[in-house]
Amino acid sequence: EIVLTQSPAILPMSPGERATLSCRASQSIGNYLAWYQQKPGQAPKLLIYDASNRATGVPARFSGSGSGTDFTLTISSLEPEDFAVYYCQQRSTWPPVTFGQGTRLDIK
Amino acid sequence: QVLLQESGPGLLRPSQTLSLTCAVSGASISSDESYWSWIRQEPGKGLEWIGYIYYSGSTYRNPSLKSRLIVSVDSSRNQFYLKLSSVTAADTAVYYCARESPSVTGIFDHWGPGILVTVSS
Repeated sequence: EIVLTQSPAILPMSPGERATLSCRASQSIGNYLAWYQQKPGQAPKLLIYDASNRATGVPARFSGSGSGTDFTLTISSLEPEDFAVYYCQQRSTWPPVTFGQGTRLDIK
Repeated sequence: QVLLQESGPGLLRPSQTLSLTCAVSGASISSDESYWSWIRQEPGKGLEWIGYIYYSGSTYRNPSLKSRLIVSVDSSRNQFYLKLSSVTAADTAVYYCARESPSVTGIFDHWGPGILVTVSS
């Protein structure tokens, strides 16, 4: 099973700052990585797929990069609504797929 | 607009069987060419993919749950189902149903709001 390790677990940031979230895979997954945003009491929402493709309706301040084992989600300028938990997910071994344990983006 | 809605019991006793329904609207399970999945999230924890079903009835189940899990579909009702037997406290979680993107297999582009299932004696 491919294990995805996200860092940091908690990221305190202020609105307007640039946030960088990391996801590392236990083996190469090509570019088959997605990112989701989850707010309290809500289902996850797809943000990015195949490492760098924004899903429909996702603001341009969200971008993804990486390939192989190291991936990054960048939020260029944090808006108040961006404070949430972010999960990465790989589909290289579909089925099954696996998720990272999440990074919580907190307001500093 | 594709909408999914989970339904089922919120409380179970250990050893019982969990039965959940996912009702789909805005898309046809039988013609969408999508895989329809179940995903769960223990309270305060990460996400675990449980398994999927295709409209044809073909399924894939997470090996960790395979012996206890049945996933089925009723295309005429536009619904799919989860049955998890012999539940324990470790099965306490929010259960989501989700659609895999028809154009990018293995990513989840629509989710239900989730249903909290608690297993407790």
